[in-house]
Order: sequence, then C-alpha cells, then structure tokens
Amino acid sequence: NAGVMQNPRHLVRRRGQEARLRCSPMKGHSHVYWYRQLPEEGLKFMVYLQKENIIDESGMPKERFSAEFPKEGPSILRIQQVVRGDSAAYFCASSTGTGDYEQYFGPGTRLTVT
Amino acid sequence: GIQVEQSPPDLILQEGANSTLRCNFSDSVNNLQWFHQNPWGQLINLFYIPSGTKQNGRLSATTVATERYSLLYISSSQTTDSGVYFCAVERRAGGTSYGKLTFGQGTILTVHP
Repeated sequence: NAGVMQNPRHLVRRRGQEARLRCSPMKGHSHVYWYRQLPEEGLKFMVYLQKENIIDESGMPKERFSAEFPKEGPSILRIQQVVRGDSAAYFCASSTGTGDYEQYFGPGTRLTVT
Repeated sequence: GIQVEQSPPDLILQEGANSTLRCNFSDSVNNLQWFHQNPWGQLINLFYIPSGTKQNGRLSATTVATERYSLLYISSSQTTDSGVYFCAVERRAGGTSYGKLTFGQGTILTVHP
C-alpha cells in the first residue's frame, strides 16, 4: 500500500528559474496539503487542495507560488523565479477528507537555490 | 491563530531510559497528531489523538483536551528513537474543516548507546 509520493526528492535550481514539485496522495485520499520547513521557522502550512479546488491557501506567499491538484495526475507546487530564501524542505500530506482527517506525509522535496 | 508549545526543546538520554514529551496548545482542537522526524528528514505518523490515550509498542500518548495538553511517552528508549518529535494541531472554526495543521517547534531527542 504505497504512501504519499513526492518527486523529485532533491531539486537544485539557480536563482530566477522555476521549480515544480509533485505529490501523489495515498490511494483513496482526495485531500492534499503542502507544508514548508525552513531551518529557523519550523513546519508551516502553505495550502490545502481537493481535486480541482483550492480550499485554503492562507499560508502561501502572495507572489511566485501557486498550487494545483488537477482531476488527473499529481498535485503540483510551482515556484516561479526562485530566490535563495525559497531553499527549504517541502512536504506534501494527504488525508481521506472524511472521518478523522488524519494527515500522512510524504518524504519531502529538498529544494536548494544556488 | 492557535499556539503550540513543546517541551523540553532538547532531550538527551541513555539507551533504555524513559521520557515524557509535552505539547501545550492555546485553544480547543479537532485534531492532534504526533510525528517523529527521523535523521533522514522523513515525518513518521506516531499518533492521531485529539483526546484520550493510545499505545503502540514502547510509545504511548495521552491528550487531555479540556486542559489543552498532550503527552508523548517513550519507554526503554533506543538509538533509533533519535530525531525530532513534533506535535501538530488543527482547529476547525465554524464547523468547517480547514485541514491546516499548526506545528510546535519540536523536541530534539538524542539517545546515546
């Protein structure tokens, strides 16, 4: 029973490039959440999505960041024109969206901006 | 928003020792989860425990929702228990699930052989 899958596991981008992070939820899960872990700030919520809908994006930076969860395929977190401050671990989690809403996390994508 | 405080921030143990980690939160919650972040950075689910007591092997957890705290007990610690332990809570305002976990700063546990 595969867990939450994220790819790539490590991503290196130069300043100004775009970063695309992918997340496939656990089988049977239709709710996806993205979190960011910065060294001095801990784990912070970014966005909560269901298929084709953004439910809560209160943690997303206002510029350069976007997320989607299309009807088919993985959820994508997109960062345009990356800056050094975007270097962090980005985690995706998923839940069934019913019952207890327990969230299960993927292994994360470590983004390094040079 | 809701505040989550974990204590102690750091804990060093000898293998075989027992420990208690605490999580205090500032408001009523609908969801509380404990995670272990291992040295490779992966977040492992330990407990989903908005209230009550649960046990899983050497680990157990208790949440007293009315007093706004949760405890994680580790017995007979092993070197593989090393890592960071996070408490995370979700508060749903107005009866709607927002799915937003708020994490504490974590407890860094080091277990020496």
